[in-house]
Amino acid sequence: EPEVTQTPSHQVTQMGQEVILRCVPISNHLYFYWYRQILGQKVEFLVSFYNNEISEKSEIFDDQFSVERPDGSNFTLKIRSTKLEDSAMYFCASSEGDRVNEQYFGPGTRLTVT
Amino acid sequence: DQQVKQNSPSLSVQEGRISILNCDYTNSMFDYFLWYKKYPAEGPTFLISISSIKDKNEDGRFTVFLNKSAKHLSLHIVPSQPGDSAVYFCAASDPGNTPLVFGKGTRLSVIA
Repeated sequence: EPEVTQTPSHQVTQMGQEVILRCVPISNHLYFYWYRQILGQKVEFLVSFYNNEISEKSEIFDDQFSVERPDGSNFTLKIRSTKLEDSAMYFCASSEGDRVNEQYFGPGTRLTVT
Repeated sequence: DQQVKQNSPSLSVQEGRISILNCDYTNSMFDYFLWYKKYPAEGPTFLISISSIKDKNEDGRFTVFLNKSAKHLSLHIVPSQPGDSAVYFCAASDPGNTPLVFGKGTRLSVIA
């Protein structure tokens, strides 16, 4: 069964460093998303991406964040200068369409900023 | 700002019995609702969804009920199995936006 994959599973970085989180969405899906879950809190939307551009973003997704689809399969989230409060699980998701289409999530990357 | 609320952080049910997980929402614009299951160290797994034009959707042991007037939905699992033990998230979206808005989750423990 097709699934969303994410690498790495765990990333430890120092405050102020740049990190890139990688995702391979399901191959026939057209819409891609990043969510995050800070420990003990709910899953929060960061950004959605369609047709090689951001379609929506939350207020969490500020200038230190960027997304890219560098080739036909990968979808990346870059955090330019990490802060302690960026420590969270980051989930990538994809869906076939933009509405009434279930979003399928990857296993997540645990980002720890020290 | 909790647009999607799951007021029970945990629920314990005996194997074979019915599990009922509840979710309330405040945004009347929400028209699509989903339930996800999450095991530790894994991403949320899609379970079942319902559009606001329906009041019930069934898939095997899982049934979701939607009461629009009460802004309430519930997930019924019958019969409950030990493998159902996980955190269950309710999520919703509105016509103008694709992002899912999640509740905080309910941890279900099915006791053998």
